[in-house]
Amino acid sequence: LAKTTQPISMDSYEGQEVNITCSHNNIATNDYITWYQQFPSQGPRFIIQGYKTKVTNEVASLFIPADRKSSTLSLPRVSLSDTAVYYCLVDAPRGGFQKLVFGTGTRLLVSP
Amino acid sequence: EAGVTQFPSHSVIEKGQTVTLRCDPISGHDNLYWYRRVMGKEIKFLLHFVKESKQDESGMPNNRFLAERTGGTYSTLKVQPAELEDSGVYFCASSDTQGGVGVNTEAFFGQGTRLTVV
Repeated sequence: LAKTTQPISMDSYEGQEVNITCSHNNIATNDYITWYQQFPSQGPRFIIQGYKTKVTNEVASLFIPADRKSSTLSLPRVSLSDTAVYYCLVDAPRGGFQKLVFGTGTRLLVSP
Repeated sequence: EAGVTQFPSHSVIEKGQTVTLRCDPISGHDNLYWYRRVMGKEIKFLLHFVKESKQDESGMPNNRFLAERTGGTYSTLKVQPAELEDSGVYFCASSDTQGGVGVNTEAFFGQGTRLTVV
């Protein structure tokens, strides 16, 4: 499984755009990049997933360069409720099996 | 539709006692996983069920932990006897089954059971 490296923490103000970059230099051809969000006292929650280029949903955007050795989660106009830990995970799907490997994640603090 | 539910939300037991955690996955999800986070550590995979069969239990720490999923519906994780180092948050997750390489599947997590062994 490819190892991921991401910032330990980030601070932002409400209304700003937040970009969290994750490095995964050893990503394999079949690996997908997935981001999860975790609030205190809750389980992780899927945010977005991608293989290459750009993926956008109602919550975030995921930018993946051509070499796929890194990815950037972009949260537009964050609010206080976006304060959470964000995990970048890399793994190859196997019939739906998800042996997710969580790193330390990035702790995002959004202030007024 | 109900999400993944776990019971209890918090359990405090004495060292040496037995505790059983329960997870109800999303209805229809064949894949069920157990993860845990011990204090100050990262979330770690424990095991994976496909229906009632254990597919991967490589993350189970030792034989004091027993997971079951009778009938392929809910699952239980029993710790017997509990030790101090078992304290942490135990998460259950489930996902649907989709076939083939290149098809990934979102895992839905429960809120976790906080286990405190004193």
